[in-house]
Amino acid sequence: AQSVSQHNHHVILSEAASLELGCNYSYGGTVNLFWYVQYPGQHLQLLLKYFSGDPLVKGIKGFEAEFIKSKFSFNLRKPSVQWSDTAEYFCAVNAMNTGFQKLVFGTGTRLLVSP
Amino acid sequence: KAGVTQTPRYLIKTRGQQVTLSCSPISGHRSVSWYQQTPGQGLQFLFEYFSETQRNKGNFPGRFSGRQFSNSRSEMNVSTLELGDSALYLCASRGLDNSPLHFGNGTRLTVT
Repeated sequence: AQSVSQHNHHVILSEAASLELGCNYSYGGTVNLFWYVQYPGQHLQLLLKYFSGDPLVKGIKGFEAEFIKSKFSFNLRKPSVQWSDTAEYFCAVNAMNTGFQKLVFGTGTRLLVSP
Repeated sequence: KAGVTQTPRYLIKTRGQQVTLSCSPISGHRSVSWYQQTPGQGLQFLFEYFSETQRNKGNFPGRFSGRQFSNSRSEMNVSTLELGDSALYLCASRGLDNSPLHFGNGTRLTVT
């Protein structure tokens, strides 16, 4: 069965610090990879996605992620965080063997950015 | 374009009761998925519907069921509620299989 691991459950940063959130998945076949964000009191929103092609993908609000197939990783990065980035971040994967119908989420990382 | 709409936003039920949650997908989206979100387990996949057919199901007991109507609207039912069913239930829709999910705001269910 597919699984997704997010190693950092809570991250606290100061504004302007750089961010990297780890994500590893377990599935050897073709996958689509996503990062979703949930701001306080809001619904889950798509930050960025990787389907194929360039392994470095850019998303909204200055976020980017790099797919490293050999490491089964899809880490999220942002060079300089802002207070408004305070949110919970979820890595997610769906796979060809389920027809891309079942999205498996990591347990999430709560990011707190202090001003 | 209107987003995914879930009703009601909040529900309080007692153990043993049943509950029905509703989801209206984005116009034109035929795939609807349901997820349960809890602090301990995170986001867990419940099931996915497409053209009124359940195509995929997660590891939840049979008390959790769903259906989809011809207009793509979906309902989720939980029977014989347990305290552990307290959670945020999220609905998501998408147009194509190989496209991202769009989530609603969720229904927060509290079982007492």
